[in-house]
Amino acid sequence: AQKITQTQPGMFVQEKEAVTLDCTYDTSDQSYGLFWYKQPSSGEMIFLIYQGSYDEQNATEGRYSLNFQKARKSANLVISASQLGDSAMYFCAMREAHPAMDSNYQLIWGAGTKLIIKP
Amino acid sequence: DTGVSQNPRHKITKRGQNVTFRCDPISEHNRLYWYRQTLGQGPEFLTYFQNEAQLEKSRLLSDRFSAERPKGSFSTLEIQRTEQGDSAMYLCASSLVSPKTDTQYFGPGTRLTVL
Repeated sequence: AQKITQTQPGMFVQEKEAVTLDCTYDTSDQSYGLFWYKQPSSGEMIFLIYQGSYDEQNATEGRYSLNFQKARKSANLVISASQLGDSAMYFCAMREAHPAMDSNYQLIWGAGTKLIIKP
Repeated sequence: DTGVSQNPRHKITKRGQNVTFRCDPISEHNRLYWYRQTLGQGPEFLTYFQNEAQLEKSRLLSDRFSAERPKGSFSTLEIQRTEQGDSAMYLCASSLVSPKTDTQYFGPGTRLTVL
């Protein structure tokens, strides 16, 4: 079963508009972390934002915010005032279990959403 | 800047040849991960190191793949007898693990093409 689902393979958005990228996840762990990364055509995976399962407030980082709805198991990324440079692949990823020195926290990844910002 | 670096950025090789990639993590980070990413997919976990110890390997990592992290600093990923199916982007990430943070920061990747 898919643990991370990104239902939007591609999106076109007008420059300066806000955009929401969907992510739903599946885990039975109580403690987990959710990440969003951006991957431009150059290939580098760029960390954007992190939400811990016990964080009471939604994470924000500049123009990025994470709409975390724990009961619905969704962690949507919101980009405000989109820019041409936001065009890229966006990946949602999850780390299960609480950080601990002897735990493997490999990230489990969604298939990504290709975002294209139109001028 | 002391971000994660990877070399080479691109590698073209013929089937059957051996290749080696290098990853230099962020200096204070104690964990190092290798992932593989094929076109149109998210990354897949290959292996990770806690300091110099290799703690887990994915079933994806066949006997032809080996990774090392001598002295807990840089890491190398070697693929022996390359096959066309090995063509992919190989991503390295590092993190500083603590009770509050474990964000993985990625390098630019090495794109491998096997002819």
